Amino acid sequence: SQTIHQWPATLVQPVGSPLSLECTVEGTSNPNLYWYRQAAGRGLQLLFYSVGIGQISSEVPQNLSASRPQDRQFILSSKKLLLSDSGFYLCAWSRERGAGNTIYFGEGSWLTVV
Amino acid sequence: SQKIEQNSEALNIQEGKTATLTCNYTNYSPAYLQWYRQDPGRGPVFLLLIRENEKEKRKERLKVTFDTTLKQSLFHITASQPADSATYLCALSLSGGYNKLIFGAGTRLAVHP
Repeated sequence: SQTIHQWPATLVQPVGSPLSLECTVEGTSNPNLYWYRQAAGRGLQLLFYSVGIGQISSEVPQNLSASRPQDRQFILSSKKLLLSDSGFYLCAWSRERGAGNTIYFGEGSWLTVV
Repeated sequence: SQKIEQNSEALNIQEGKTATLTCNYTNYSPAYLQWYRQDPGRGPVFLLLIRENEKEKRKERLKVTFDTTLKQSLFHITASQPADSATYLCALSLSGGYNKLIFGAGTRLAVHP
């Protein structure tokens, strides 16, 4: 069966510090990978998606970047965090490229920028 | 502008009753609509998917309807239980390209014994 792991689960970072959130998927190959952010009381906002190694698309301009160094690894980064980067970050994957496929989410990472 | 709206107020119902949650959207033409459940501090979990040419889909105590004319989906939980208490998210899946889901903000459901 497929599993998705995301870490760290919680982190508190000072403004201006770097960020690295990691995500790996097991039990499947060539997954589509996604990073979402969820602010309190708001919907999930798609930040990045990737259809293959080294292929990253950004949905919104921001202070974050993503990389996919391996087929089943997805990393969310920032060089200098802002207060507005605080939120609940979710990594996710789906099997195929087309619409209508289920997206499977990780357990999320709580980021507090202080 | 494009919007997807779910009732931001929590829905409180008595155990055993049917819960009905609403998802409305404007200026989208989704090929699919999905419903997810999210517990506090956890990632969303997929529940049901309905296609644009389907009127209704059922899974155990869950039922989803999809009216592309009204641009609305209704999500029903029959014989609700306290364990059904969670936030329920609807998501539009647009045709073409990668699997892009547009999520609503969700409605929190509280089922009381």
